[in-house]
Amino acid sequence: DQQVKQNSPSLSVQEGRISILNCDYTNSMFDYFLWYKKYPAEGPTFLISISSIKDKNEDGRFTVFLNKSAKHLSLHIVPSQPGDSAVYFCAASAAQGAQKLVFGQGTRLTINP
Amino acid sequence: NAGVMQNPRHLVRRRGQEARLRCSPMKGHSHVYWYRQLPEEGLKFMVYLQKENIIDESGMPKERFSAEFPKEGPSILRIQQVVRGDSAAYFCASSSGPGNTEAFFGQGTRLTVV
Repeated sequence: DQQVKQNSPSLSVQEGRISILNCDYTNSMFDYFLWYKKYPAEGPTFLISISSIKDKNEDGRFTVFLNKSAKHLSLHIVPSQPGDSAVYFCAASAAQGAQKLVFGQGTRLTINP
Repeated sequence: NAGVMQNPRHLVRRRGQEARLRCSPMKGHSHVYWYRQLPEEGLKFMVYLQKENIIDESGMPKERFSAEFPKEGPSILRIQQVVRGDSAAYFCASSSGPGNTEAFFGQGTRLTVV
């Protein structure tokens, strides 16, 4: 039972354009959502998070949007840079915090020059 | 470097041997989490520990796997009598507390069972 789904295994975007990564979840108990970025042979790096009491959180080039009624969140990166090429994981927690994160399968983002 | 430290980075074991994976959390962090990533999949939660306590082990296989986080020293994930299906990347994360905090991950240990 995949509670967090990232339906696009890969995404290719032109440098300078907007990258939009999507994530859907099924468990209505989730109340805290995070995005992690992962390079090959490294651990995931925390990018940005959002609590269920908000619908948007912004940090520099990264913005996360949460649509609770649709159980959907998205990560926007603008402008996209070559260094953004990585695998992005969406994760969710039912405890407003770090414990027992449920991860999606990941989306491999490639930024083309 | 005050990040989460995992060792070894790569571990090769023959079927039936024991694998011991170590994790030192970030300075000031007393909460440790272990995750496993199989090829082409996302990370799957295994266990959540605080010093000397297992808080949630709902993701741990019932047999052969155990974890500890002693008062002194790193957290240890132990896999006894390894099988080929245990081959995966094992990631440790730490946080400063359970509420409204982010988990910071180590670089992982890649276990290969031959």
